[in-house]
Amino acid sequence: EAQVTQNPRYLITVTGKKLTVTCSQNMNHEYMSWYRQDPGLGLRQIYYSMNVEVTDKGDVPEGYKVSRKEKRNFPLILESPSPNQTSLYFCASSWGAYNSPLHFGNGTRLTVT
Amino acid sequence: QKEVEQNSGPLSVPEGAIASLNCTYSDRGSQSFFWYRQYSGKSPELIMSIYSNGDKEDGRFTAQLNKASQYVSLLIRDSQPSDSATYLCAVNSRLAGNQFYFGTGTSLTVIP
Repeated sequence: EAQVTQNPRYLITVTGKKLTVTCSQNMNHEYMSWYRQDPGLGLRQIYYSMNVEVTDKGDVPEGYKVSRKEKRNFPLILESPSPNQTSLYFCASSWGAYNSPLHFGNGTRLTVT
Repeated sequence: QKEVEQNSGPLSVPEGAIASLNCTYSDRGSQSFFWYRQYSGKSPELIMSIYSNGDKEDGRFTAQLNKASQYVSLLIRDSQPSDSATYLCAVNSRLAGNQFYFGTGTSLTVIP
């Protein structure tokens, strides 16, 4: 089954404790992206990657890191989480062509206390 | 000015009615337009895509695109309670490096 898999689905952590949210897709997509979704603000892009070893900042990259060492994986790293990073996070992928829609993972609800 | 704007609603329609959702975008270089449905706490699910001016129909859903007016809409005919969700408009611009821009979504409630 074609899918984007995120883990974990739920995560509660404390300020400053490094964490990684994994994202993997099995569709051989070139484009992958991370979004956060907050009430009233919609989906905001954190980072995206057009291909292996190519990553770029989105609209809200502060406090996040990503890497794209393999085509299928695009982990999101929070080196020192803070409470303002409490949010619902989505990983998404597409072929990267202009007419290629995004396919979303199931989301990770992160709470930082 | 936001890249993509939607009326946040909430929009309420009775069961069986037509729900009309609207979206405007600012980048004239935008080439692809998508509508996603999102249930509370779930991930966005693609329901329609449209790339050229005019109407595109898929079952009870019709997407309409007017590039001159920078306007895209979604009509849901014979609305069902299961259509109650937030609808996200997404725009893809090749000029912006194939970036996707999302509206904040319109909340739709279909009243039985």
